[in-house]
Amino acid sequence: ETGVTQTPRHLVMGMTNKKSLKCEQHLGHNAMYWYKQSAKKPLELMFVYNFKEQTENNSVPSRFSPECPNSSHLFLHLHTLQPEDSALYLCASSQGAGDSYEQYFGPGTRLTVT
Amino acid sequence: GENVEQHPSTLSVQEGDSAVIKCTYSDSASNYFPWYKQELGKGPQLIIDIRSNVGEKKDQRIAVTLNKTAKHFSLHITETQPEDSAVYFCAADYSSASKIIFGSGTRLSIRP
Repeated sequence: ETGVTQTPRHLVMGMTNKKSLKCEQHLGHNAMYWYKQSAKKPLELMFVYNFKEQTENNSVPSRFSPECPNSSHLFLHLHTLQPEDSALYLCASSQGAGDSYEQYFGPGTRLTVT
Repeated sequence: GENVEQHPSTLSVQEGDSAVIKCTYSDSASNYFPWYKQELGKGPQLIIDIRSNVGEKKDQRIAVTLNKTAKHFSLHITETQPEDSAVYFCAADYSSASKIIFGSGTRLSIRP
């Protein structure tokens, strides 16, 4: 295991629901990330947190709302999603938030929006 | 902005043969080039990386080459085995934004 856990592993939600994805890292890292992985597309960086502070928001729609209460936990709050938001959502962590740190990924949450 | 292109999107090789995956990048300031392997049901995992001060790096059956002039880098897997079947992603750092940009992935299948 990579030391990064994500729950739930699978989620089906309607467009009017509100749900949250949870990520926890047990590596003592300072940076955490949310990525979206869609079929046949590159991994899309959504958000970056470094020492609990958001340092990157990659033009993500406001229906995705991240929360980082401490360096070990990261949440992604979801509301009024669209079917095109169905994807695998990956959380990652790294020692620092620079561009040359190895990122450790969790197994992802497979999200289906109906 | 930075763009990383990866080819091929799918690759099937006979067990024991070699596999090569190629990537190009656009940011001439990029200095860090990791490769990640994603197995079914798992997140990507770093398998090897190379920095711009070297042209080649090898780790057992895996090697990466970098041509900074041409802005190309490649992953070479020799003596392929069934457990090499996975999706492989190249990436390059986008130094002006302190993040890495991933390629679109290559699904590698090893035929028995």
